[in-house]
Amino acid sequence: DQQVKQNSPSLSVQEGRISILNCDYTNSMFDYFLWYKKYPAEGPTFLISISSIKDKNEDGRFTVFLNKSAKHLSLHIVPSQPGDSAVYFCAASARSGSARQLTFGSGTQLTVLP
Amino acid sequence: SAVISQKPSRDICQRGTSLTIQCQVDSQVTMMFWYRQQPGQSLTLIATANQGSEATYESGFVIDKFPISRPNLTFSTLTVSNMSPEDSSIYLCSVAPGTSLEQYFGPGTRLTVT
Repeated sequence: DQQVKQNSPSLSVQEGRISILNCDYTNSMFDYFLWYKKYPAEGPTFLISISSIKDKNEDGRFTVFLNKSAKHLSLHIVPSQPGDSAVYFCAASARSGSARQLTFGSGTQLTVLP
Repeated sequence: SAVISQKPSRDICQRGTSLTIQCQVDSQVTMMFWYRQQPGQSLTLIATANQGSEATYESGFVIDKFPISRPNLTFSTLTVSNMSPEDSSIYLCSVAPGTSLEQYFGPGTRLTVT
């Protein structure tokens, strides 16, 4: 049972336009959400996060929106740049004992076309 | 954040053998995590390794197959034992520095079992 879902395996956008990556979750215990970017042959790089008490968090070109009632979050990248081409993973966090564990979605391959 | 290194970066191993992967962090951290990313799949948590206690394994992963050591607050090893081609994956370690809710990942170890 996938608790974190990214239903779009790939997305292509033109340079300068907005990229919107989507993520859905099912576990109501998740209270912190993260986006990671992964280039081939590298580990995932933390991009931006949001707490469940907020509905928006912005960092430069990256904005994450959270809709708790819909159990949905999205990552907006504007303007998109060719260097943004990577696999983007959505992750959700819940406390489990003394640790916080991450559950990852399956990823979306973003391609930004020059 | 934290700077994390892994050794080896890649290896090709024969079935039935074992490989030990090392993870080194540039600062002391309580929680370290080991993940697996099988080809075309998302990241799956193998175990959580706290210094001074036994690692906690996720469902589907057992200590006999993936023994973990955590001798101090900056280092951990994961051994993939009695390997089969199904163990061919990228293995990643991550850390959650201090009270951070984010995890930071190493570059990964790409393992191919023939």
